[in-house]
Amino acid sequence: GQNIDQPTEMTATEGAIVQINCTYQTSGFNGLFWYQQHAGEAPTFLSYNVLDGLEEKGRFSSFLSRSKGYSYLLLKELQMKDSASYLCAVRDSNYQLIWGAGTKLIIKP
Amino acid sequence: DAMVIQNPRYQVTQFGKPVTLSCSQTLNHNVMYWYQQKSSQAPKLLFHYYDKDFNNEADTPDNFQSRRPNTSFCFLDIRSPGLGDAAMYLCATSRPIQGAETQYFGPGTRLLVL
Repeated sequence: GQNIDQPTEMTATEGAIVQINCTYQTSGFNGLFWYQQHAGEAPTFLSYNVLDGLEEKGRFSSFLSRSKGYSYLLLKELQMKDSASYLCAVRDSNYQLIWGAGTKLIIKP
Repeated sequence: DAMVIQNPRYQVTQFGKPVTLSCSQTLNHNVMYWYQQKSSQAPKLLFHYYDKDFNNEADTPDNFQSRRPNTSFCFLDIRSPGLGDAAMYLCATSRPIQGAETQYFGPGTRLLVL
């Protein structure tokens, strides 16, 4: 079966750095996405990786290792508004998105 | 602003009473999706359309139906809602899937079944 694993919940301090990991086993791979979802709202796109390495976008960076089936989302200079769930999703060989259940990130002052 | 719109944002229905959720988009995207998301769970794809080509996920219950009368609009019909159908229903759109093409989500409709 296809599977995306992420930690259920993480806590970090305002101003700090946090890394949210995602591991996947899917039938084929055509890219990995990270989305942010605030409570009661729709997911919004954060990043896309299809080749190994790091993609940086302001305070957010995303890393991919295809050989390890592994990605992480790195958030720097955390702000209270970063409190949200972060969902990892992989596009499989059928170009369908396989979603993780999300990691709830709690930011403390 | 180009966007994905869902109405209503909150819907209350009774057990077994049919309900329709609507989605519209001004992005002119070919592909439209309906997802069901329960609390702290991954979004679950129910259907997607590539233009008028309808794709039903294998495990989507028969209780759920969908219509896409034109490019802009898509509807989700729940024929006989059960308590287990209470969830957030998300509509999303995308251009034909390639590269970094992502999905754009509407704000969702939260369905409560009494």
